Amino acid sequence: EVHLVESGGGLVKPGGSLRLSCAASGFTFSSYWMHWVRQAPGKGLVWVSRINSDGSSTNYADSVKGRFTISRDNAKNTLYLQMNSLRADDTAVYYCARDLPAGLYQVPSYGMDVWGQGTTVTVSS
Amino acid sequence: QSALTQPASVSGSPGQSITISCTGTSSDVGSYNLVSWYQQHPGKAPKLMIYEGSKRPSGVSNRFSGSKSGNTASLTISGLQAEDEADYYCCSYAASSTLVFGGGTKLTVL
Repeated sequence: EVHLVESGGGLVKPGGSLRLSCAASGFTFSSYWMHWVRQAPGKGLVWVSRINSDGSSTNYADSVKGRFTISRDNAKNTLYLQMNSLRADDTAVYYCARDLPAGLYQVPSYGMDVWGQGTTVTVSS
Repeated sequence: QSALTQPASVSGSPGQSITISCTGTSSDVGSYNLVSWYQQHPGKAPKLMIYEGSKRPSGVSNRFSGSKSGNTASLTISGLQAEDEADYYCCSYAASSTLVFGGGTKLTVL
């Protein structure tokens, strides 16, 4: 069965750092683009970042650019999100999600078909 | 990267059809056929319902359909059922491999 399991969330002070992990199982992790999406308490979904299948290409939302770094270790079937200079408005549940390949050439569809259960990050003094 | 615009809430009775709109700009929804829709029940992870504007992933009911006209995408749910009550989010590609979500719509089944 296909699974994504996030970990690494917790309470951190403003200005601090945290690294989230997302362990993948049940599929060929190295073949898929991956995303991070967050959701502040009582708020909507916000896209954070994406990485291509071999880790050579990344993109970020303006709100996290320069502070967050997405990466992956295909040998360990694990996705990461390094979060630095954390602010109160980074408080959210962070989800990792798999991009669904589509079409004849199985290119990324930018639809996220598998999601983890989320890990909670709280930034507070 | 401004959020796409969705109505805050919609409602319908069992068996009816409802449509949720998602308005963007010529830089996102209007330029790419890469809109996806997600259903989220309270306390749960989102679930992909529609991708590439109108395609359904395996296992998603054909009561869910997607379309687009200009800068506005739409999700239609026909034959409304109690279990459809949830929050719904649209999401669009927005150039340079970035994505933008809508603010979300709460669907109430009366």
